[in-house]
Amino acid sequence: DIVMTQSPLSLPVTPGEPASISCRSSQSLLHTNGHNYLDWYVQRPGQSPQLLIYLGSNRASGVPDKFSGSGSGTDFTLKISRVEAEDVGVYYCIQAVQTPFTFGPGTKVDIK
Amino acid sequence: QVTLRESGPALVKPTQTLTLTCAFSGFSLNTSGVCVNWIRQPPGKALEWLGRIDWDGDTYYKTSLKTRLTISKDTSKNQVVLTMTNMDPVDTATYYCARTTGVAVAGHWGNWLDPWGQGALVTVSS
Repeated sequence: DIVMTQSPLSLPVTPGEPASISCRSSQSLLHTNGHNYLDWYVQRPGQSPQLLIYLGSNRASGVPDKFSGSGSGTDFTLKISRVEAEDVGVYYCIQAVQTPFTFGPGTKVDIK
Repeated sequence: QVTLRESGPALVKPTQTLTLTCAFSGFSLNTSGVCVNWIRQPPGKALEWLGRIDWDGDTYYKTSLKTRLTISKDTSKNQVVLTMTNMDPVDTATYYCARTTGVAVAGHWGNWLDPWGQGALVTVSS
């Protein structure tokens, strides 16, 4: 099974400042179709997870452009250009290139 | 509008079998590329993908749980059922179902999960 790691696991951020989360996989997530099967989800306090980024860099519908995803192969990054209070939550990456799909351990983002 | 809702017992005893239902609306599990996944989250811990059932009936499971899990579908009722045998206190978690949207990407299906249900908390205790 593919193992996913994230860093940092905890990320206190000053409002208005950027934030960056790293996600790494034990195997390449590059599909034969040329796309990286790496998605990002956020779980805000008390809520179900919701899709932020799919296929490495595509924002889901309704996701503001302050969120961006990048990377390829085994190394990916989620960036928030300017963190706001509403961005508090746990951010998860997941590999979906092969079953069983596997999540990273999550990165908890909170406000300093 | 696409919605999913999990339902089932809030409390099960150790060694019992858990049966959870995911009732969905706004899409058809007969549509090529559409799947329903199960994910769980122990209290205060990370998400864990459990398995999924595809539009064509194929199923896939988490390696360490595949002997205990069964996912089935009733397309006429718009329901997917998760069965987990031999429940243990470590299986205490919120269980979510989520749709794979069935979008084709360069000739292959995308696998992202959207949307998710609200979750159902299952406690395993005697």
